[in-house]
Amino acid sequence: AAGVIQSPRHLIKEKRETATLKCYPIPRHDTVYWYQQGPGQDPQFLISFYEKMQSDKGSIPDRFSAQQFSDYHSELNMSSLELGDSALYFCASSFLTGNTEAFFGQGTRLTVV
Amino acid sequence: AQKVTQAQTEISVVEKEDVTLDCVYETRDTTYYLFWYKQPPSGELVFLIRRNSFDEQNEISGRYSWNFQKSTSSFNFTITASQVVDSAVYFCALSDSGAGSYQLTFGKGTKLSVIP
Repeated sequence: AAGVIQSPRHLIKEKRETATLKCYPIPRHDTVYWYQQGPGQDPQFLISFYEKMQSDKGSIPDRFSAQQFSDYHSELNMSSLELGDSALYFCASSFLTGNTEAFFGQGTRLTVV
Repeated sequence: AQKVTQAQTEISVVEKEDVTLDCVYETRDTTYYLFWYKQPPSGELVFLIRRNSFDEQNEISGRYSWNFQKSTSSFNFTITASQVVDSAVYFCALSDSGAGSYQLTFGKGTKLSVIP
C-alpha cells in the first residue's frame, strides 16, 4: 500500500540558508500535518492543511511557511535557518473525518551547520 | 490546555519480561483521542493504537495491551514477553482538536531497552 512520502530524507544546510521539505500524502487523504522533532524531544505540531487550506497552526516559527498544492502534496519552506532548526521533520496524512488512522512519513532529517 | 505526561524516561528490562509504560493525560474536552506510537532507532513513527474517549474497553493486540481508565486519566501500555525488537522510544499522544484530527500533543516519550 502507498505510504506518505517525504523528500528529501536527509538535508544539510548552512545557517541563514533556505530549505524546502516536501510531503506526498497517501492518495485521497484530505489532510496533511507537519511536525518537528528536535534531538531527544517529542514531536511538536507545526501546521496542518485540509483540502489545501490551512486548518490549524501550532508552534511554527514565522520564518517557516507551508502550503498544500492542488495535487495535495505539501511543502514546508524554512528560511534564515538557525542551528536550532536541526531536527526530524515529519509529515502525516489522514482523512479529517471518520475513524481513521494517520500515517506518518519516514521524516526528513535536517541538519543546519 | 492539554498535556500528556510519561513519567518514565527510560526503562530497561530483560527479554521475556513484561513491561508497562505509563501515560497520564490532561484535557478539558469530553471528546478526545489517545494514541501510542513507537519510534525505533531508525526514526520513523509507527502507529500502534488510537482510542476515543468514549471507548474504555481494554484492547489486546498480540503481545501488546492497553488499559484506558478515564477515572485516573491514564492510558497505559503493556508489552508482554518483551523482545529485543521492542527496544524503541514509545510516545503517548492526545488529540482533542475535533473528530479525526491528528493535531497531536505528545508526551516526552519513554525509551525502552530490552536486553537479551
